[in-house]
Amino acid sequence: EVQLVESGGGLVQPGSSLKLSCVASGFTFSSYNMHWIRQAPKKGLEWIALSYYDSSNKYYADSVKGRFTISRDNSKNTLYLEMNSLRSEDTAMYYCAKGGMGTRDWFAYWGQGTLVTVSS
Amino acid sequence: DIVLTQSPALAVSLGQRATISCRASQSVSISRYNLMHWYQQKPGQQPKLLIYRASNLASGIPARFSGSGSGTDFTLTINPVQADDIATYYCQQSRESPPTFGGGTKLELK
Repeated sequence: EVQLVESGGGLVQPGSSLKLSCVASGFTFSSYNMHWIRQAPKKGLEWIALSYYDSSNKYYADSVKGRFTISRDNSKNTLYLEMNSLRSEDTAMYYCAKGGMGTRDWFAYWGQGTLVTVSS
Repeated sequence: DIVLTQSPALAVSLGQRATISCRASQSVSISRYNLMHWYQQKPGQQPKLLIYRASNLASGIPARFSGSGSGTDFTLTINPVQADDIATYYCQQSRESPPTFGGGTKLELK
């Protein structure tokens, strides 16, 4: 059974940093692209970052480019999102999602999410 | 970015058919592949994949869910609607980066 478990969220002040983790199980993590997707309170879904299966390519939404960094450790089956210079508009539930083995992914499995609140 | 437009809400009666539409600002099809996907999200839960590539049922999804469409116009159909289907439904395209989502359609009971 595929499982994705996020952690690391919390309440932080504007301008601060936070690092999220997503531990994967039930599939060969090192073979799949992985994504971060967020959802602001009462809002829709926003894709924010992609890491290829081998970390060879990483892509970001314009809204987080230069502030957020996606990474992965295939030996630990873990995906990360390092978030710097956080803003109030980054307040959201952050989900990791399993992609495919190529480009043009859909998101077959999602974690339960970790909540990030940016407020003074 | 490709913009996906969904109606905000749809009211249906239990046992009836629900048709949820999604229109893309440009084609999301490549040759025979229609790169539109559908998700269901219930309050307090993560989204769940229902349909991939426009018409393929994801694993474990009941056959009362179906998808159709090509180019810029896509439809998710639930027939018959059951109480457990009350949720918000999102379309998502993977034709171009960045992947984008529609604003969601909230399925409500009439």
